[in-house]
Amino acid sequence: SQTIHQWPATLVQPVGSPLSLECTVEGTSNPNLYWYRQAAGRGLQLLFYSVGIGQISSEVPQNLSASRPQDRQFILSSKKLLLSDSGFYLCAWGNRGQDTDTQYFGPGTRLTVL
Amino acid sequence: TQLLEQSPQFLSIQEGENLTVYCNSSSVFSSLQWYRQEPGEGPVLLVTVVTGGEVKKLKRLTFQFGDARKDSSLHITAAQPGDTGLYLCAGGWLRSNYKLTFGKGTLLTVNP
Repeated sequence: SQTIHQWPATLVQPVGSPLSLECTVEGTSNPNLYWYRQAAGRGLQLLFYSVGIGQISSEVPQNLSASRPQDRQFILSSKKLLLSDSGFYLCAWGNRGQDTDTQYFGPGTRLTVL
Repeated sequence: TQLLEQSPQFLSIQEGENLTVYCNSSSVFSSLQWYRQEPGEGPVLLVTVVTGGEVKKLKRLTFQFGDARKDSSLHITAAQPGDTGLYLCAGGWLRSNYKLTFGKGTLLTVNP
């Protein structure tokens, strides 16, 4: 069965510090991968998605970047965090080639920027 | 840009009551997903519907996809405190690299 991991689970960082959040998927190959941010426990905002190694599409211009160094690894980064980067970050994966768009989410990372 | 509107935004009911949550759009979707999320956790997939008019049941939960594939509903029968959470609907369209459009969610509280 497929599983998705995110770490760390929680993170408290000062303004101006760098960021690296990691997401890995097990039990599937060539997944589509997604990074979302959720504010105030409500709707999800798509930040980045990837259809393959080294292929990253950005949905929202911002202080963040993403990379996919391996097929089942997705990394969210920032060189200098802003207060507005605080939030709940979710990674998700989906199967390419299927006739549905279903995505499966990881447990999330709570980021607080002080 | 496809938009999904969920209603109501907040719902507080007593244990044993029935409820319906709605998800509406002016766009046609290739599929519609419903997720349930508890505080501090990632959303958990409840169901995917892909055919207009499709009805799926998951124990006390009934999901329906509109005939025109523009709307969906989630009905819960005899709600229990364990049903408490944020219910999110998400629509997909296959030409978009499998991206999903999410509604803002319905926050359900079931009081014992």
